[in-house]
Formats: sequence, C-alpha cells, structure tokens
Amino acid sequence: GNSVTQMEGPVTLSEEAFLTINCTYTATGYPSLFWYVQYPGEGLQLLLKATKADDKGSNKGFEATYRKETTSFHLEKGSVQVSDSAVYFCALISGGADGLTFGKGTHLIIQP
Amino acid sequence: EAGVAQSPRYKIIEKRQSVAFWCNPISGHATLYWYQQILGQGPKLLIQFQNNGVVDDSQLPKDRFSAERLKGVDSTLKIQPAKLEDSAVYLCASSLGSVYAILEQYFGPGTRLTVT
Repeated sequence: GNSVTQMEGPVTLSEEAFLTINCTYTATGYPSLFWYVQYPGEGLQLLLKATKADDKGSNKGFEATYRKETTSFHLEKGSVQVSDSAVYFCALISGGADGLTFGKGTHLIIQP
Repeated sequence: EAGVAQSPRYKIIEKRQSVAFWCNPISGHATLYWYQQILGQGPKLLIQFQNNGVVDDSQLPKDRFSAERLKGVDSTLKIQPAKLEDSAVYLCASSLGSVYAILEQYFGPGTRLTVT
C-alpha cells in the first residue's frame, strides 16, 4: 500500500535559518506529491505540489523537488520566519482514487 | 468564496453513544472526503464521494461508521456506537473533482471528538 514517512518533530530553528524537512514515500504507480501546512488555529491548506518526476513545487519561498530515484520530496526554505511556525504534512495521491495519504506531520517552531 | 463548513466544532460523548458530524463543501465541488486525524498522526481517509456516489470507503470501519451525501451536496458522518479509540479530529475536504487532473482539496476546520 501507499505510505509516507517524514522526519519527527518538533524542529526548532532560529529566524533566517535554512530549513529542510525530509519526506520519503512508498506508492504504487506514479504518485502526485504534496506538502500541506496547518498554522496554529487554522485548517489544513495546500502549500505546494508536484505531479511527476523532477517537477519542483514552490510557494511562499518553500520548494520541494519530486525525486523518483530516491522516492523523496523534501521541503526546503532558504530563510525561515517566525510566521512559518506550523505543522507540515507530506502527502501523496496514487492508485486511482484521489484520497490523500499523509505522513505524521512535522511541527516546526521558529524562534526570533 | 466560503470555505468548507463543519459542525459541531467540538463534541464530547461517552463510549457506546452515537454521534453525527455535518459537512457543507464549497459550492460546486463534486468530490467530498472525510478524514480521521488521531492526535500525533496525519489524517487518514475514511470515505470519498463523487457527487452522491461512494468512490472509496475501503478504510471506513463499516460496523460502526456510516456516511451519506444525499443530493450530492452536504454530507453527514455517523459513529454508532462510539469507542474510546474514535477520539480524533474529523476533517471534511472538498475538491472540484476531475478525471483529467489532480485538483486541490480544501479542508474544513474539523470536529474534535472526545469519547470518554
């Protein structure tokens, strides 16, 4: 079956630090890959996506590249801000139906 | 544009009681999803509707959970009888739905269920 593994949190960084949150996946066929974000007190929202190998998704300074050879979709940002503090979920869709399979989430804390 | 609406936001019940959650998707969205998010885990798909038909309910515990989407708009998810392990946040999401593209799912605020 499909599964997503992402790094355990919480991840605590100082403002302007470089961010990487690792995500690897197992899937049948050729999945589409997503990062969702949940800010404090808000609902889940799509951050970025990539639908085929070597695609790069980007939004709000965040980037992730679909690496089929390593089955990975790591999230990166060059300079984080306090407002980036949230829980980040890696997810995929594969296998016909388009319900999302999520990782467990990574809690990111940015300190000023 | 109004987002996905869910009610109630919070519910506390005793085990073996029944409970129902309601979801109103974004207007015009054909596809509706219910997810269960247990504390410390990512959301898990319970059921997916396309209009008023079920597309995927393979992870729905059908002995106690049921869901319907009459008229292809609003949806209700019911648990009867509830167990302690059903304590979770129940998320509803919707999307336009297309056979040609993977479209964004928009999530509601969720209903937090506590079973005591």
